Amino acid sequence: DTGVSQNPRHKITKRGQNVTFRCDPISEHNRLYWYRQTLGQGPEFLTYFQNEAQLEKSRLLSDRFSAERPKGSFSTLEIQRTEQGDSAMYLCASSLGGPPGGPYNEQFFGPGTRLTVL
Amino acid sequence: QQPVQSPQAVILREGEDAVINCSSSKALYSVHWYRQKHGEAPVFLMILLKGGEQKGHEKISASFNEKKQQSSLYLTASQLSYSGTYFCGTEIGDYKLSFGAGTTVTVRA
Repeated sequence: DTGVSQNPRHKITKRGQNVTFRCDPISEHNRLYWYRQTLGQGPEFLTYFQNEAQLEKSRLLSDRFSAERPKGSFSTLEIQRTEQGDSAMYLCASSLGGPPGGPYNEQFFGPGTRLTVL
Repeated sequence: QQPVQSPQAVILREGEDAVINCSSSKALYSVHWYRQKHGEAPVFLMILLKGGEQKGHEKISASFNEKKQQSSLYLTASQLSYSGTYFCGTEIGDYKLSFGAGTTVTVRA
């Protein structure tokens, strides 16, 4: 168990550019989540996958954001035409699975990707 | 709907105790507690399930009142390493977590 990994750890980009982040979950985990965290706030849900299927996407997520999890392994989060308001820490988490409220839904977070849009 | 945490901040001396509260307006399936240090990712502490089952990874205790949709995290005999921001994440049966604004804990020698 090597934990959740994310790359890159930091990304600085200019407004209008596209960026892509990668998340590698814990190997046996079926669910993968993306959250966004801004300074002084708790993480905010963006989207999640059960294996390769994207099951929910936050209504707060604009069409500029897209996520994939091909083959149910790693996931990518792409932001197109970045805006300064996209600056945040993007966190990925994974969980083993099971029914809602069950003991296998602990979510373990990766180190995050800090995005700065200039 | 985000859960509400209280207090916003607490300062302790080593060895003192503290309680952090988390309440929700929705019926909860589970409550997850995390600690986050500055610039790092949230670290899982424990999960509390309906029916009273608990799973934790550190020597920190918590309770879950299902009737009131409230959870409390108990920091006893605090150590310097307990410093950080504590978040509760609540699950309402849809797998995703809603997080409170956090409680900043500072433990001083």
